[in-house]
Amino acid sequence: NAGVTQNPKFQVLKTGQSMTLQCAQDMNHNSMYWYRQDPGMGLRLIYYSASEGTTDKGEVPNGYNVSRLNKREFSLRLESAAPSQTSVYFCASSPWPGTEETQYFGPGTRLLVL
Amino acid sequence: DAKTTQPTSMDCAEGRAANLPCNHSTISGNEYVYWYRQIHSQGPQYIIHGLKNNETNEMASLIITEDRKSSTLILPHATLRDTAVYYCIVRVAINTDKLIFGTGTRLQVFP
Repeated sequence: NAGVTQNPKFQVLKTGQSMTLQCAQDMNHNSMYWYRQDPGMGLRLIYYSASEGTTDKGEVPNGYNVSRLNKREFSLRLESAAPSQTSVYFCASSPWPGTEETQYFGPGTRLLVL
Repeated sequence: DAKTTQPTSMDCAEGRAANLPCNHSTISGNEYVYWYRQIHSQGPQYIIHGLKNNETNEMASLIITEDRKSSTLILPHATLRDTAVYYCIVRVAINTDKLIFGTGTRLQVFP
């Protein structure tokens, strides 16, 4: 049981390049989330998927798109990377929205945009 | 969701209890208090949560004041591995559970 896995662990992009961050969970959770964390800051929610087939914007969605590929996988895409998107990206999952159940986080993807 | 206020940093001697305070004076009756920690830029790790009553698990204890306007996370016997940033979050367990992270308390446990 690996929990929440993220790929890649590190990535360097040039301004304007695109990339997709991958996230998968093996806990049969329904809800999945993408956060970003800038240096010295707390995490901020980018997008979330309350259940398979649904996605919604979080606090900072601009410049990102997401795809809930199936129940296990939730990807985050940067269509045209900007230096302001340099950050650490965390994926999380939880059994259901709206319950006391906690969120479980992946190890993060460190992204540098030059 | 209610806003939380935490001290920026705290120190604790190894083996002693670490008491981390959190103010959430605008908390609503249906909002839970959650604590997470983040060790050296790893993904946040759930510690404990509560609504009204004090809670204890294998990691920590959570003491919530009677008026629910503040709480304290207690690590009973801090170790060097407990050095981390600790986040206090209040959330309503309805609809989508978006967690709003503040900047947390950086706990440094020293030998």
